[in-house]
Amino acid sequence: DVKVTQSSRYLVKRTGEKVFLECVQDMDHENMFWYRQDPGLGLRLIYFSYDVKMKEKGDIPEGYSVSREKKERFSLILESASTNQTSMYLCASSQTKIYGYTFGSGTRLTVV
Amino acid sequence: KQEVTQIPAALSVPEGENLVLNCSFTDSAIYNLQWFRQDPGKGLTSLLLIQSSQREQTSGRLNASLDKSSGRSTLYIAASQPGDSATYLCAVITSGTYKYIFGTGTRLKVLA
Repeated sequence: DVKVTQSSRYLVKRTGEKVFLECVQDMDHENMFWYRQDPGLGLRLIYFSYDVKMKEKGDIPEGYSVSREKKERFSLILESASTNQTSMYLCASSQTKIYGYTFGSGTRLTVV
Repeated sequence: KQEVTQIPAALSVPEGENLVLNCSFTDSAIYNLQWFRQDPGKGLTSLLLIQSSQREQTSGRLNASLDKSSGRSTLYIAASQPGDSATYLCAVITSGTYKYIFGTGTRLKVLA
């Protein structure tokens, strides 16, 4: 089975800190995605990548950046964390659209 | 712009009941539809993936159907169990795009 691993389950950071959320997949998938999930708002796409070093903005990219230097790793960066970025962050990958998404277990980030 | 709606938002049933969860989408030009399960505080687990050319998919006690022309999918759960309690989300990929659009989910509680 494909495995998508997010490095931290829970994270607490201070306002203004630079935060790195890491996601690694082990099945050579082309596409990787970062979503955030908030009560009442559902899942919203932040960024996605369809190839190494390629990235595209999703629906809510403000305040975030991403890095994909290797195919298996997709990092989400909060340049200067703010309290409104407190959320559940979910990473997903897919080989192609045909095979759907596989999600990681999520990172619950709290910014204080 | 694709919009995905799930009704009801919450559902509570006694153990053993058969139940149907609904998902509707506004743009019928979809590539595929995927049903997920999410336990509290966890990531999303894929349940069933239906390609646009398919009418249904089955896995154990789960059966998902797709009617593209009417913009609807249903997830049928047979003989529900307390372990089925979770939030169920559907998501569609519209043709020509990479990304899933998610519904806001149905929170299911199966009472012992």
